[in-house]
Amino acid sequence: EPEVTQTPSHQVTQMGQEVILRCVPISNHLYFYWYRQILGQKVEFLVSFYNNEISEKSEIFDDQFSVERPDGSNFTLKIRSTKLEDSAMYFCASRGQGWVGYTFGSGTRLTVV
Amino acid sequence: GNSVTQMEGPVTLSEEAFLTINCTYTATGYPSLFWYVQYPGEGLQLLLKATKADDKGSNKGFEATYRKETTSFHLEKGSVQVSDSAVYFCALSDNYGQNFVFGPGTRLSVLP
Repeated sequence: EPEVTQTPSHQVTQMGQEVILRCVPISNHLYFYWYRQILGQKVEFLVSFYNNEISEKSEIFDDQFSVERPDGSNFTLKIRSTKLEDSAMYFCASRGQGWVGYTFGSGTRLTVV
Repeated sequence: GNSVTQMEGPVTLSEEAFLTINCTYTATGYPSLFWYVQYPGEGLQLLLKATKADDKGSNKGFEATYRKETTSFHLEKGSVQVSDSAVYFCALSDNYGQNFVFGPGTRLSVLP
């Protein structure tokens, strides 16, 4: 069954550093998403992306965050200057045209120290 | 806006006990409903889904029925196993597959 792949599975970074979280969505999917889950808390929507532009974003997704689809396969989330409170599990998801459901990746655990 | 409410956890059961995790939702239109499971240290996995009223989603012995009249999608399993210990998230999307919203999650611990 097709999968959404996220790398790395765990990343530790120092406060103030830039991080890029990478995702490879399912190849024929058109809609892409990032969610995050702070440890022990609910899963929160960050951003959705379609047709090479952001279609929706939450209040969490401020100027420190950006997304990009640099080529035909990758979908990245960049945090420009990480803060301690950015420590969370970040999930990428994708879905195809029409309603076929979201497929989530296994997540990247980001730890900011 | 759309929202999902789940019973608070944690839920602790003995092996082979019957499981119910309640989920109710608020949404306009005709949402699709989902249960996702997150095993310790892992990502989100789709457990089951239902896309219209009265549909029953089922997988791995788990079932949930889309009840529009009570706006509910309760998760049930007749006999839980230790390996079912995880956090379970109820979720919905609108009828265009957008505006995906998760409930807060319910932690289930099954004791041998």
